[in-house]
Amino acid sequence: GQQVMQIPQYQHVQEGEDFTTYCNSSTTLSNIQWYKQRPGGHPVFLIQLVKSGEVKKQKRLTFQFGEAKKNSSLHITATQTTDVGTYFCAGPGGQNFVFGPGTRLSVLP
Amino acid sequence: DTAVSQTPKYLVTQMGNDKSIKCEQNLGHDTMYWYKQDSKKFLKIMFSYNNKELIINETVPNRFSPKSPDKAHLNLHINSLELGDSAVYFCASSQEPGRGGEKLFFGSGTQLSVL
Repeated sequence: GQQVMQIPQYQHVQEGEDFTTYCNSSTTLSNIQWYKQRPGGHPVFLIQLVKSGEVKKQKRLTFQFGEAKKNSSLHITATQTTDVGTYFCAGPGGQNFVFGPGTRLSVLP
Repeated sequence: DTAVSQTPKYLVTQMGNDKSIKCEQNLGHDTMYWYKQDSKKFLKIMFSYNNKELIINETVPNRFSPKSPDKAHLNLHINSLELGDSAVYFCASSQEPGRGGEKLFFGSGTQLSVL
C-alpha cells in the first residue's frame, strides 16, 4: 500500500533558526497537504499543493511540491516559539488521506 | 460554532468495558473519518464513511464499529476495551475525496485511557 515518510522525526532549533521537514511518498500524488498539530491540540490544515513543482508561501512558511509529485517540503524561516508542534504531510489514498509520521519541532527561546 | 465536535474529550475506563465516542460536523461534508493517534503521534485511518460507503481499515479490530445515524454524525463504538486501545481518537470530515480541493477538518480529539 501507499506509504508516506517524513524526515526528520524530531528537530530542535534555537528561536530564529530555520527549519525544514521533508515528505516522501511511495506513489505519485495528485496533491499533497500539510497539517500542523500544536501540543495537546488537533491537526489543522495549512495548505494544499497540486501542481508539479509548485511553491507556495504563507508568511515565514514555504511549501514545495516536487517535480515528480512524490515529495514535498516545508521550510520555516526564522522560527518562533509559536511554531512549536508536529507537522504532518498527507496524501490522498483511495477514499481517505494517508498521513506521514510527522516531524516534531521544538523551538528553544 | 465548532465545525467538528466530538465528545467526550477524556475517557477513562476499565479493561473489558464498552464505550462510545460521539462526533458531529456542521460543515455539510459528505465524508467523515475516524483516526487513531498513538503515543508516537502516528495518525492512522480507522474508518472513512460517506452516505454511500463505509471503508474499513483492515487492521482495525472488529471490536471497533462506526455508527452513522445521519450525514452529520459518525459515532465510534468500542467493545471489550483493551489496554492497547489507549490513544487519542480524532474524528474528521471533508468533502468527498477524489474531487480535489478537499481538506480535513478535525475534531479536538478524545483521549482514551484503558486501565
